[in-house]
Amino acid sequence: AQSVTQPDIHITVSEGASLELRCNYSYGATPYLFWYVQSPGQGLQLLLKYFSGDTLVQGIKGFEAEFKRSQSSFNLRKPSVHWSDAAEYFCAVGGGATNKLIFGTGTLLAVQP
Amino acid sequence: DTGVSQNPRHKITKRGQNVTFRCDPISEHNRLYWYRQTLGQGPEFLTYFQNEAQLEKSRLLSDRFSAERPKGSFSTLEIQRTEQGDSAMYLCASSLTGTGVGSPLHFGNGTRLTVT
Repeated sequence: AQSVTQPDIHITVSEGASLELRCNYSYGATPYLFWYVQSPGQGLQLLLKYFSGDTLVQGIKGFEAEFKRSQSSFNLRKPSVHWSDAAEYFCAVGGGATNKLIFGTGTLLAVQP
Repeated sequence: DTGVSQNPRHKITKRGQNVTFRCDPISEHNRLYWYRQTLGQGPEFLTYFQNEAQLEKSRLLSDRFSAERPKGSFSTLEIQRTEQGDSAMYLCASSLTGTGVGSPLHFGNGTRLTVT
């Protein structure tokens, strides 16, 4: 079955510290992987995506993610977190003819001053 | 690119009433998706259209739910005889096929439904 697991429900980091959000997926074929960010009461904004090729992908707002097929993981990283990064982050997997995305349950990021 | 637009932003209704939401996708996008998001959860797929054709419906979409996309432009999602369990954020997204596999979905800001 296709699924996405985000093991961390809530993470708190200090401003300026590094960040890593974990994502593991289960998908029968070659996965297309995405990270979205959602601010309170808002829709989802695409941070980055992986389709093929270089396993380290760069996104907007200084985020990057690394695809590791052997670990079925697609973790999101940022070297220095800003207070404005506080939001909920969703990992998603998709592909096939429908391009339908399956989302994880999200990780809520809090940033301490 | 004006983005995906959803109306209304908020809807409060009494149990048993019917509600209808509207989604205007990015103008050249041929695919349109509806998702539902409850508190503390990720978005769950409900249905999607390619142009005016509804190609897939989730089993989450009970017979009280109906979606349309006449003329392949805007879409409406109607919920009949609302129940308290229908309270959620309803998200619309659109994408453009033909630009490569895995075209990303662009989401609107959602319609927050509260059933009292």
